[in-house]
Amino acid sequence: GENVEQHPSTLSVQEGDSAVIKCTYSDSASNYFPWYKQELGKRPQLIIDIRSNVGEKKDQRIAVTLNKTAKHFSLHITETQPEDSAVYFCAARKDQAGTALIFGKGTTLSVSS
Amino acid sequence: EAGVAQSPRYKIIEKRQSVAFWCNPISGHATLYWYQQILGQGPKLLIQFQNNGVVDDSQLPKDRFSAERLKGVDSTLKIQPAKLEDSAVYLCASSFSLNGEQFFGPGTRLTVL
Repeated sequence: GENVEQHPSTLSVQEGDSAVIKCTYSDSASNYFPWYKQELGKRPQLIIDIRSNVGEKKDQRIAVTLNKTAKHFSLHITETQPEDSAVYFCAARKDQAGTALIFGKGTTLSVSS
Repeated sequence: EAGVAQSPRYKIIEKRQSVAFWCNPISGHATLYWYQQILGQGPKLLIQFQNNGVVDDSQLPKDRFSAERLKGVDSTLKIQPAKLEDSAVYLCASSFSLNGEQFFGPGTRLTVL
């Protein structure tokens, strides 16, 4: 089955710096890759996702890149702000009905001002 | 639009006791998911429903866990008897369709003593 590895487990940056979180997956048939943000004590929320027919997707300060050959994808946050502090989870699954999302273990991002 | 509702938000029980969690998905969402999130890890799918039918329960410990969604709307997850290792946050999520974006509830934090 699918296995998703996520690195680093913790990341500390200064406000205004960029942050990059990387994930690798094992199942080459996976083709849907969402990223979730979970603030302390709150529910996970989808912030961006990418499908395997594109290599990069951007939404304001957030971007995700996908390398299907190497089976890895990354989250990039530019101009970080204190409110970006949270746990970020990557996930992967095949884009077919009923397939489960497999999550990474999460990255705790701390942005200090 | 109202989000996914869960209750209770917190529960503390002794090992070998029983516990039940309730989830009300977003109106119109046919797919409902129960996840277990152990501290420091990503959510792990326990069971997935499409309307009132089970799509995937391969990760559900069926000797002690059960779930139902009798009328295709609300769902209940039960643990009987609970073990110490069941301490976790139990997240319910729903999506409009099997491949749709998943919206998470606030979760139920279970502590087994």
